Amino acid sequence: AQSVTQLDSHVSVSEGTPVLLRCNYSSSYSPSLFWYVQHPNKGLQLLLKYTSAATLVKGINGFEAEFKKSETSFHLTKPSAHMSDAAEYFCVVRGPYSGGYNKLIFGAGTRLAVHP
Amino acid sequence: DTAVSQTPKYLVTQMGNDKSIKCEQNLGHDTMYWYKQDSKKFLKIMFSYNNKELIINETVPNRFSPKSPDKAHLNLHINSLELGDSAVYFCASSQSRGSYNEQFFGPGTRLTVL
Repeated sequence: AQSVTQLDSHVSVSEGTPVLLRCNYSSSYSPSLFWYVQHPNKGLQLLLKYTSAATLVKGINGFEAEFKKSETSFHLTKPSAHMSDAAEYFCVVRGPYSGGYNKLIFGAGTRLAVHP
Repeated sequence: DTAVSQTPKYLVTQMGNDKSIKCEQNLGHDTMYWYKQDSKKFLKIMFSYNNKELIINETVPNRFSPKSPDKAHLNLHINSLELGDSAVYFCASSQSRGSYNEQFFGPGTRLTVL
């Protein structure tokens, strides 16, 4: 079965320092993986996606993630945090194909706090 | 120009009432979804419709009834509201034929049942 585990429920960084949000996945086949961001009182926005092309995926707002099959990981990184990056981040895996469609399976989320 | 919109944004009601949440998308997608986000931020899919047909129906109480009058709309009606229904409900849409299944989310409806 497909699942994702976000290893940290909260991450706190200082502005200008690197961001690392960790995600491990479990999948019985080649996965499709996503990172979504949710700013306070807002809907979710897609940051980036991996669909078996390049293992290093670049997304919006300077974020990127690297798919590592040997480690079953898809960690999200950014070289330098901005105050506006403070939000909830969700690692997501595409679920099994059933009835012609796939569900998205969400991790529990990681809250990123950015301090001045 | 809003891609996926939901109304209302906030909904406060008493236990036992019946309420509806509306969702509309102007992206031309043929698949729409309802998700529930609980107080711990955990997101789980409830329903999905493709071309007005129900395709995903998770284990949701039958007090919840989705209705899709056309491809651009998916409404959620909830009967006999309970305290445990308090959550944020997100609508989303996607193009099912797309290979990436990217979903676009609405801003959410925060439901509070008193």
